[in-house]
Amino acid sequence: DAGVIQSPRHEVTEMGQEVTLRCKPISGHDYLFWYRQTMMRGLELLIYFNNNVPIDDSGMPEDRFSAKMPNASFSTLKIQPSEPRDSAVYFCASSVFSRGGSTGELFFGEGSRLTVL
Amino acid sequence: AQKVTQAQTEISVVEKEDVTLDCVYETRDTTYYLFWYKQPPSGELVFLIRRNSFDEQNEISGRYSWNFQKSTSSFNFTITASQVVDSAVYFCALSTHSGYSTLTFGKGTMLLVSP
Repeated sequence: DAGVIQSPRHEVTEMGQEVTLRCKPISGHDYLFWYRQTMMRGLELLIYFNNNVPIDDSGMPEDRFSAKMPNASFSTLKIQPSEPRDSAVYFCASSVFSRGGSTGELFFGEGSRLTVL
Repeated sequence: AQKVTQAQTEISVVEKEDVTLDCVYETRDTTYYLFWYKQPPSGELVFLIRRNSFDEQNEISGRYSWNFQKSTSSFNFTITASQVVDSAVYFCALSTHSGYSTLTFGKGTMLLVSP
């Protein structure tokens, strides 16, 4: 079975440029998450969707960040304009609803390593 | 608010040694879930285990075992007879009954297993 697929794996861009990261969740999963990982802050939840609807975006750093999930098999995370402090590994993950609202395990993609010069 | 503390930043062992990775958590909720994830050098995060707060039985899976103790708010992970392929960063995580927004990861412990 295919896991969570992210693209690009690596992105190097210049400050001020728009960056778009893409994610295809595991088929049948109804939750999708965007995480950011840095040495300083560790793993941070940016936003997550349930059935394509954003549920919690309180982790999105600022208005430069936006995420969409137009259908069950695709999501994007966009940074516009990008800044050097956005350099990080961005992970997409998906999960399946568990009874009683419990937290199921997350299946992570391989990550997109972003470097903003 | 909840918190996960992995006090060991880095551990180095020689192959075949046993090693325990510590995880201490804080939460006011009585229903919560604990996780361990592995991040090998290739970068992806791999799910290892999920336990809920009502199940304190220890679990063993091959060379891996987990010791959950509510009395000390700990969920420690032991690798028996470590192997070089176990080299990775290991993350402990906690979420409450309130759902995914509460999922909190520790800072991780880097395990280096040398031949």
